[in-house]
Amino acid sequence: DTAVSQTPKYLVTQMGNDKSIKCEQNLGHDTMYWYKQDSKKFLKIMFSYNNKELIINETVPNRFSPKSPDKAHLNLHINSLELGDSAVYFCASSPYESPRNGYTFGSGTRLTVV
Amino acid sequence: GDSVTQMEGPVTLSEEAFLTINCTYTATGYPSLFWYVQYPGEGLQLLLKATKADDKGSNKGFEATYRKETTSFHLEKGSVQVSDSAVYFCALIHTGNQFYFGTGTSLTVIP
Repeated sequence: DTAVSQTPKYLVTQMGNDKSIKCEQNLGHDTMYWYKQDSKKFLKIMFSYNNKELIINETVPNRFSPKSPDKAHLNLHINSLELGDSAVYFCASSPYESPRNGYTFGSGTRLTVV
Repeated sequence: GDSVTQMEGPVTLSEEAFLTINCTYTATGYPSLFWYVQYPGEGLQLLLKATKADDKGSNKGFEATYRKETTSFHLEKGSVQVSDSAVYFCALIHTGNQFYFGTGTSLTVIP
């Protein structure tokens, strides 16, 4: 059973389109995250939700909107996609009370905007 | 603020060579320190961790010791294999739930 699963794994789309990436975890964690990894492998946190509540919202364009329907799901919707949005997006989760045990990451969604 | 600095790559080694990837951190107090590994086309996996000074984390032949005096957490392995080729990330977590990752070090091991 996959602990943190993201869909789709690959996404190719044209500039200006709107797309969503879904993330689900079956670990019982109550905190979930979205990270963006650029072409140089640099990881930057975008958002964090604890039990459906937004707790970290880094400086990202407001074209990016996270949605957490319940604590096991954190989806990422992107409006008006731009070339610079091309990257690998990782979802992760951790227990809120013990994040020092480490995050569990999904396998990533490679987004290519053409 | 909290941050992690790790040596830039790429690093290329022959099989059975000794590996060191340097990592230093900036944080007040006592953060927890981690090494994550990302194999090609995959997500990040926790490799090892240490939660207090002088702790040694180890896994799969890799080791790292939490050195408070030098604010370091260098990753070492005595004999690398081709299957160790990956990108390695040093990270810390301190107050709050946010991880701070280094920039990643790409390792390629050639037969």
